[in-house]
Amino acid sequence: EVQLVESGGGLVQPGGSLRLSCAASGFTFSNYWMHWVRQAPGKGLVWVSRISSDGSSTTYADSVKGRFTISRDNAKNTLYLQMHSLRAEDTAVYYCAKGVYDSSGPYDYWGQGTLVTVSS
Amino acid sequence: SYVLTQPPSVSVAPTKTATITCGGNNIGSKSVHWYQQKPGQAPVLVIYYDSDRPSGIPERFSGSNSGNTATLTIYRVEAGDEADYYCQVWDSGSDHYVFGTGTKVTVL
Repeated sequence: EVQLVESGGGLVQPGGSLRLSCAASGFTFSNYWMHWVRQAPGKGLVWVSRISSDGSSTTYADSVKGRFTISRDNAKNTLYLQMHSLRAEDTAVYYCAKGVYDSSGPYDYWGQGTLVTVSS
Repeated sequence: SYVLTQPPSVSVAPTKTATITCGGNNIGSKSVHWYQQKPGQAPVLVIYYDSDRPSGIPERFSGSNSGNTATLTIYRVEAGDEADYYCQVWDSGSDHYVFGTGTKVTVL
């Protein structure tokens, strides 16, 4: 059974940093693209970032580029999102999602999400 | 940047058909994926590559894509279909994924 479990969310002050983790199991993690998607309270889904199966290729939404870094440890079956210079508008539930073999395909599994609140 | 527009809400009676549109410039040239999200839950993939259904998704869910509009159709709607639905594409021009604005389906 595929499982994605996010952790690391919490309350952080504006300008602060946070690192999210996503522990994957039930599939060969190193074979798939992985993604981060966020959802502000009461709002829609917004794509944040993606990383290739071997970690060599990453892409970011314009709103987080230069502040967020996606990475993965295939030995630990874990996906990460390092977030710096956090702003109030980064407040959201952050989901990790499993992609498919190609870089532009759908997300067939999602985690339950972790809430990040940026507030003083 | 590429924009996907969905109606904010669709209301449908049980056993009837719900049609959810996703508008985008020449979206017919892109692959469209659809997600269902119930309150307090993570999204679930219901249609991928325009019209394919993942295993476990009822045949009542159907997708199509042509011109400037992609469509998710839910036949014989049930109370359990009440949820938010989002379309998604990958935009090759920006190398970014884009989600639609979302449609809340209410079962009367």
